[in-house]
Amino acid sequence: GDSVTQMEGPVTLSEEAFLTINCTYTATGYPSLFWYVQYPGEGLQLLLKATKADDKGSNKGFEATYRKETTSFHLEKGSVQVSDSAVYFCALSNDYKLSFGAGTTVTVRA
Amino acid sequence: NAGVTQTPKFRVLKTGQSMTLLCAQDMNHEYMYWYRQDPGMGLRLIHYSVGEGTTAKGEVPDGYNVSRLKKQNFLLGLESAAPSQTSVYFCASSSGPADYGYTFGSGTRLTVV
Repeated sequence: GDSVTQMEGPVTLSEEAFLTINCTYTATGYPSLFWYVQYPGEGLQLLLKATKADDKGSNKGFEATYRKETTSFHLEKGSVQVSDSAVYFCALSNDYKLSFGAGTTVTVRA
Repeated sequence: NAGVTQTPKFRVLKTGQSMTLLCAQDMNHEYMYWYRQDPGMGLRLIHYSVGEGTTAKGEVPDGYNVSRLKKQNFLLGLESAAPSQTSVYFCASSSGPADYGYTFGSGTRLTVV
C-alpha cells in the first residue's frame, strides 16, 4: 500500500542554520504530497503542499519540490529560527485519506 | 472561528471502562477523520467518514467504534478500554478529498491504566 518514509530525528540545529528533512514515498497513481507541522501541545497544521510532479510548495520560508523520478518531497528552509522548533510530518493523499510519516522532531537552539 | 473542537482534552480510564470522544467542526466539512498518534509511529487512521451517516474503517479500527449522525459531529467510542489504547487522539476534517488538506483539532490525551 501507499506509504511515507521520513528521516529519523531528532534534529538539533543552531539558529540561522539550513534545515533539510528527507521524505520519500511509495504510491500507486499520482498522490498529492504535504508537509504538516505540530507545535508543542497542539494539533497538526498544514505547512505546504504540492499536487503534481515538479510542483514546489512553499510557506513561511519552507520549500519542498515534488520529485516523481526520485519519489521524494524533501523539506528545506534556508535559515531556521527558534520558533521553527516542532515536529514535522510528511504525508501523501490516498483517495479520501492522508497517510503520514513517523514525524521528525526539530529543535532550534538560540 | 472555532474550526475543529475535541472534547475532552485529557482523560484517564481504567481498563475495561468505556468512553466517547467528541469531535465537532463548524466549517460545514463533508469529510471527518480520527487518528491516533503514538511515539515513533506517526499518525494512524482509525476510522473516517465521507459524509453524514457514513463511516469506514481505517488502518487500526479494532477496539473502536464511530458514529456520524450529524454532519458537524464525529464521535469515537471505546467500548472496553485497554492499555494499548493509551495514545493521543486527533480528529480532522476536510471540505473534500484528501488533496484539499485537513484541519486538525488540538487532540485528546487518553491514558488507560
